[in-house]
Amino acid sequence: ETGVTQTPRHLVMGMTNKKSLKCEQHLGHNAMYWYKQSAKKPLELMFVYSLEERVENNSVPSRFSPECPNSSHLFLHLHTLQPEDSALYLCASSQELAGVLSADTQYFGPGTRLTVL
Amino acid sequence: RKEVEQDPGPFNVPEGATVAFNCTYSNSASQSFFWYRQDCRKEPKLLMSVYSSGNEDGRFTAQLNRASQYISLLIRDSKLSDSATYLCAVSPTSGTYKYIFGTGTRLKVLA
Repeated sequence: ETGVTQTPRHLVMGMTNKKSLKCEQHLGHNAMYWYKQSAKKPLELMFVYSLEERVENNSVPSRFSPECPNSSHLFLHLHTLQPEDSALYLCASSQELAGVLSADTQYFGPGTRLTVL
Repeated sequence: RKEVEQDPGPFNVPEGATVAFNCTYSNSASQSFFWYRQDCRKEPKLLMSVYSSGNEDGRFTAQLNRASQYISLLIRDSKLSDSATYLCAVSPTSGTYKYIFGTGTRLKVLA
């Protein structure tokens, strides 16, 4: 399935590195999300973009910086991460209707498995 | 109390068995409910939405019990390929795009 793609699929980085995760959706959706999934923890919503505007920042540390240049692309810029940031980072998209973000079905990308050394 | 709770399992069942798991939620105003399936090291994929009247898709049946604040997933005639982690997602009334996920219930179907 190629509805939502993410690159890279795996990333190993040191604490002083700067890297970016990329997400692209081919579903014509207008809302995109970043989630973090750590072992034995539920998916945690990090950021939400609707019509390219950030509508949610769920108390995420500033070492994570999202960017949404258009409705099809979403980036997560990473810098000076900590080992506890190692996790699976999932991007998702959904369709906003009539200007209201609803609990419509979210479709997930395959994720980027991040390891911070 | 966690907002969304699931028994982590694993539920080990033989092929052909019927298995059910529940997901409880704490916000009585929650409006939307979903079951996702997540295979090992893969992304969650929508299995089914859960409607007030319940819904069925082949061997899978989802139910909502608002009075007791839980949703359930029933799998009949389990297949080896049903082995996965099943995540429930609940969306509250306010900020309705915000899914709250459970930690998931792991199912292993044994030959």
